[in-house]
Amino acid sequence: GAVVSQHPSWVICKSGTSVKIECRSLDFQATTMFWYRQFPKQSLMLMATSNEGSKATYEQGVEKDKFLINHASLTLSTLTVTSAHPEDSSFYICSAVKTGSGNTIYFGEGSWLTVV
Amino acid sequence: DAKTTQPPSMDCAEGRAANLPCNHSTISGNEYVYWYRQIHSQGPQYIIHGLKNNETNEMASLIITEDRKSSTLILPHATLRDTAVYYCIVRSPVQGAQKLVFGQGTRLTINP
Repeated sequence: GAVVSQHPSWVICKSGTSVKIECRSLDFQATTMFWYRQFPKQSLMLMATSNEGSKATYEQGVEKDKFLINHASLTLSTLTVTSAHPEDSSFYICSAVKTGSGNTIYFGEGSWLTVV
Repeated sequence: DAKTTQPPSMDCAEGRAANLPCNHSTISGNEYVYWYRQIHSQGPQYIIHGLKNNETNEMASLIITEDRKSSTLILPHATLRDTAVYYCIVRSPVQGAQKLVFGQGTRLTINP
């Protein structure tokens, strides 16, 4: 398998502040990473595709200025939720593509964000 | 990505084989079938994937029909820890078309 790690695993922030979530591929390099969000009892919703060294590609309806994605190295992508509001509270999950053998995607443990 | 159809829920007795079906009738030639599962409040866990041949690993077996329009994930000896939502996804691993799009999955409950 392959290991993808997210940090923090949970965070509480005040409304109006920004919060950054990190996603690291620990034992492989990942040119491409993906960010998802998941609300309770719902499936994962793809937010954006993060490509190392280039701008992220956002899914329709996802505000790029609100969810800033930076993929500065082959092992790290970050998601910054700017000016967070209570409706941004959710489970955020990243994943990374491991090249070879079907380019399998591995997921992080997820990060719980609560905006109060 | 092609769409998949899975039953919303299934039950299985502990120790028995759990057989999870998936229909993907519009799968294209270069798309693989992937299976993931998500245990409550955790990130999805990769289980297995295949193109056209049956596959087996330490977690499960994947049976793909000859026409590739459906597949079955088999957990040979289900345990309580296998209770999770199982997602069947078809995806092309080709650069630029790699994203995984999740449906609703099958909620598998293993009963003691």
